[in-house]
Amino acid sequence: EPEVTQTPSHQVTQMGQEVILRCVPISNHLYFYWYRQILGQKVEFLVSFYNNEISEKSEIFDDQFSVERPDGSNFTLKIRSTKLEDSAMYFCASSEGIEYFGPGTRLLVL
Amino acid sequence: GENVEQHPSTLSVQEGDSAVIKCTYSDSASNYFPWYKQELGKGPQLIIDIRSNVGEKKDQRIAVTLNKTAKHFSLHITETQPEDSAVYFCAAEDSGGGADGLTFGKGTHLIIQP
Repeated sequence: EPEVTQTPSHQVTQMGQEVILRCVPISNHLYFYWYRQILGQKVEFLVSFYNNEISEKSEIFDDQFSVERPDGSNFTLKIRSTKLEDSAMYFCASSEGIEYFGPGTRLLVL
Repeated sequence: GENVEQHPSTLSVQEGDSAVIKCTYSDSASNYFPWYKQELGKGPQLIIDIRSNVGEKKDQRIAVTLNKTAKHFSLHITETQPEDSAVYFCAAEDSGGGADGLTFGKGTHLIIQP
């Protein structure tokens, strides 16, 4: 069964550093998403991406965040200058009508 | 924007009994309501969903009901088993897998007591 994959599974970084989280969506899906989940809290929508551009973004998705589909398979989330409060689980999802989530990347900012 | 409330935050039931988790939503434009199960250290996995043109959907031991007038929907798990123990999230969206993204509830930690 096709699934969304994410790398790395864990990432530790210093405050102020840039991080790139990577996702490979399910191949025939057209919509891609990033969500985050701070420990013990609910999953929060960050951004959706369709036809090589951002469709919607939440207020969390500020200028420090960017997304890119650099090739036909990868979908990335970049955080330019990480803050302590960026520590969370980041989930990628893709959709053809139903959203399927990847296993997540646990980001820890020290 | 959409706001989804979910109750209870923790639910403990005896193995074999039924579990019910309830959610309310605020945006009457929402028409897609999925339920996700999240096991420790994993991503949310879709277990069942319902769209606003139906009032109930069932898949083996799992059922979801939707009341659009009252803006609430519920997850029912019958004959609970130890492997049902997990955190369950309800969500709402106004397009179903489209641009807007899902608005999640805060989750229910379901504990199945042997």
